[in-house]
Amino acid sequence: QSALTQPPSASGSPGQSVTISCTGTSSDVGGYNYVSWYVQHPGKAPKLVIYEVTERPSGVPDRFSGSKSGNTASLTVSGLQAEDEADYYCSSYAGNNIFVFGSGTKVTVL
Amino acid sequence: EVQLVESGGGLVQPGRSLRLSCAASGFPFDQFTMYWVRQAPGKGLEWVSGINWSSGTVGYADSVKGRFLIFRDNARKSVYLQMNSLRVEDTALYYCTKGRTGWGGPDYWGQGALVTVSS
Repeated sequence: QSALTQPPSASGSPGQSVTISCTGTSSDVGGYNYVSWYVQHPGKAPKLVIYEVTERPSGVPDRFSGSKSGNTASLTVSGLQAEDEADYYCSSYAGNNIFVFGSGTKVTVL
Repeated sequence: EVQLVESGGGLVQPGRSLRLSCAASGFPFDQFTMYWVRQAPGKGLEWVSGINWSSGTVGYADSVKGRFLIFRDNARKSVYLQMNSLRVEDTALYYCTKGRTGWGGPDYWGQGALVTVSS
């Protein structure tokens, strides 16, 4: 059960886009469409922004979008806003009633 | 409104036990998988355990397998994490989370219960 690989950091200016990758294996990301993305602001609980690779929960702006190719999933945040500065985590079902999270990416809005 | 309220955290010595509880409201508890996820201080998220709606299917991270036990009481709308043989590395904020359909992963999160394992 190794953590999914995410870049430690990403950044962009207001209005720009930032894309975060989440690399796993064929046993997790590549094998299931149960990839989710969470945003966590300092001192707060994580919040779901993408589920099942591409789906957005009600209330999440359409600036957030997800995709997957092979063993790598991606989250794109378009039209960056100051409030998007936070930690982002991916997660994936890994079979046999097991889940795995990504290592986390700190997004900075320049 | 979905609410998840954890309790039972605290300071415990290595090798001892602790039980976390999570009281749920705002959704049909007996229809959803529940999970525990933890976050060590200054670190990332780690999935700990999950239990389906009927308690017929459970899963554990390798790091806690054989030491932690997850169970639920649908009548009380509560899920629990019995933590035995605690280690210093189990120190973390433990989040109770509601699952999406089936084993689709967490959607709603509680505010967490802090567990500190130290002598």
